[in-house]
Amino acid sequence: GAGVSQSPSNKVTEKGKDVELRCDPISGHTALYWYRQRLGQGLEFLIYFQGNSAPDKSGLPSDRFSAERTGESVSTLTIQRTQQEDSAVYLCASSLSGGSYEQYFGPGTRLTVT
Amino acid sequence: QQQVKQSPQSLIVQKGGISIINCAYENTAFDYFPWYQQFPGKGPALLIAIRPDVSEKKEGRFTISFNKSAKQFSLHIMDSQPGDSATYFCAASSHETSGSRLTFGEGTQLTVNP
Repeated sequence: GAGVSQSPSNKVTEKGKDVELRCDPISGHTALYWYRQRLGQGLEFLIYFQGNSAPDKSGLPSDRFSAERTGESVSTLTIQRTQQEDSAVYLCASSLSGGSYEQYFGPGTRLTVT
Repeated sequence: QQQVKQSPQSLIVQKGGISIINCAYENTAFDYFPWYQQFPGKGPALLIAIRPDVSEKKEGRFTISFNKSAKQFSLHIMDSQPGDSATYFCAASSHETSGSRLTFGEGTQLTVNP
């Protein structure tokens, strides 16, 4: 079946602009995660959604970052007033549930802030 | 606080050789230890995973060795092939953590020379 999809694959934006990144999880997966991967580094957790429960936002680096998820489907990650340090690959992952451990990743969105 | 430390940062092996990547963790609550493989421009793909009730798990040419007392685990790639050239990430998670989110090592860039 279809895997996790993300759009756009690449985004170049000017410093100070807002960007919106989209994630479509695997159908039937109730848990959805966003991670950030800076160049040459490991992945950092940003936010976690499980069904209709309140999201775990503990990994968001600043109040410029926010995310939403509609039910158990699409999620959007919004970065307001982008800064150069926001340049990174933003990865989305989904799993059957929050306790099922196995997470499947999308291809990511490469964000470049100029 | 870096909870999962990975080494080496880069590794070059000859075709047919054994590639070994090591990780150490601090959080004794971790109870799931996956390895991910990432090719350039792609999202990480789950390769193999282990839970702390076993000391070794083998899947084809890939083996995880786990040492609970030392809080270390490693990935061994037997008969390494040029197609194995990629970045490998170890990770860890705990069912006690919201959503069992993954904590990643910083990655190892593996190059297998033909």
